[in-house]
Amino acid sequence: DVKVTQSSRYLVKRTGEKVFLECVQDMDHENMFWYRQDPGLGLRLIYFSYDVKMKEKGDIPEGYSVSREKKERFSLILESASTNQTSMYLCASNGVGEKLFFGSGTQLSVL
Amino acid sequence: QKEVEQNSGPLSVPEGAIASLNCTYSDRGSQSFFWYRQYSGKSPELIMSIYSNGDKEDGRFTAQLNKASQYVSLLIRDSQPSDSATYLCAVLANQAGTALIFGKGTTLSVSS
Repeated sequence: DVKVTQSSRYLVKRTGEKVFLECVQDMDHENMFWYRQDPGLGLRLIYFSYDVKMKEKGDIPEGYSVSREKKERFSLILESASTNQTSMYLCASNGVGEKLFFGSGTQLSVL
Repeated sequence: QKEVEQNSGPLSVPEGAIASLNCTYSDRGSQSFFWYRQYSGKSPELIMSIYSNGDKEDGRFTAQLNKASQYVSLLIRDSQPSDSATYLCAVLANQAGTALIFGKGTTLSVSS
């Protein structure tokens, strides 16, 4: 089975901290994605990557950056966490033309 | 900005009834359409994909696509309480063909 693993299920951080959310997939997928999900707003695309060292902005990239140094790993970075970044963060991956697989999510609280 | 619209619900149906979930999208050039199911506290999981106009059936689920009307729907026949979840419509949006745009989801409640 495809596995998309997010490093933490729950995370609590302070305002202004630099936060790293890690995602690893084990199926050699080319594409990896970061979404955030908020009540009433649905899933919104932050960034995605279609190859190592490549990245594309999604709909809401402000306040975030990403890193993809290896094919299996896609990191989301909050440079200076703010309370409005409290959310559920979902990582996903797929091969070209294949279905999207999601990780179990990281619930981030910024206090 | 490309948009995918869904009625947030909740949509309530009795057990055994047909549940009808609807979705419209703004990008006329969209080619691929997906329905995901998300249980509370869980990640979305793919239940149907559709690429051509018309109907596609898989067990109790039927996806319907009308590109002229920019409309996609999901029918769930013989609804079960275990179908109670949020259903997300997703459209393949960008030119590179890799990033899905999701609607906000419709919450379905099936009562026994």
